[in-house]
Amino acid sequence: GAVVSQHPSWVICKSGTSVKIECRSLDFQATTMFWYRQFPKQSLMLMATSNEGSKATYEQGVEKDKFLINHASLTLSTLTVTSAHPEDSSFYICSARTTGAGSYEQYFGPGTRLTVT
Amino acid sequence: KQEVTQIPAALSVPEGENLVLNCSFTDSAIYNLQWFRQDPGKGLTSLLLIQSSQREQTSGRLNASLDKSSGRSTLYIAASQPGDSATYLCAVNGLSNFGNEKLTFGTGTRLTIIP
Repeated sequence: GAVVSQHPSWVICKSGTSVKIECRSLDFQATTMFWYRQFPKQSLMLMATSNEGSKATYEQGVEKDKFLINHASLTLSTLTVTSAHPEDSSFYICSARTTGAGSYEQYFGPGTRLTVT
Repeated sequence: KQEVTQIPAALSVPEGENLVLNCSFTDSAIYNLQWFRQDPGKGLTSLLLIQSSQREQTSGRLNASLDKSSGRSTLYIAASQPGDSATYLCAVNGLSNFGNEKLTFGTGTRLTIIP
């Protein structure tokens, strides 16, 4: 089946620093990748949608200058949290969709837990 | 704006019982609906995906139904086991305001199976 990986699985950083999270589709090409955020005891909220080779589309309320998304290839998207603050501490999950028409099924990565101290 | 609600928020049942989890959504213009399982501190495991043209899907002890016109889906778990304990998320795939597809997640049902 389609596998999506994330790196790192967890990261602790100091307030004011930047953190990069990678999302890779391991055995398929993904023209579209999605980034979600999940706060404790809450559900997943879509942050942005990224298409390979073009700018990401951000959901309302998500600062694009703070959460930089790059989708430079069909197998890799990165999310950079710039000038992180404690309120950015969360569980970040990416998903990827295969190319071509069909089921629109998204395959999810295992998530990255970010703690900002 | 699509809104997805899951009831109940938490459920505890003895091992061996059959149970039903409910999901409702407000906008019936969807591509598909998916049920996921999430263990504490972990990512998502996809359980079942129902296309908008389908009425139900089955996988092992799990059966999911979809009634698009009424905006409802149910996840039926037969002969529950302690290993089924997790949070179950329902997600609806439709169009966002930008014309992209968008998965909207429900609030989840935390299931505990009592041995």
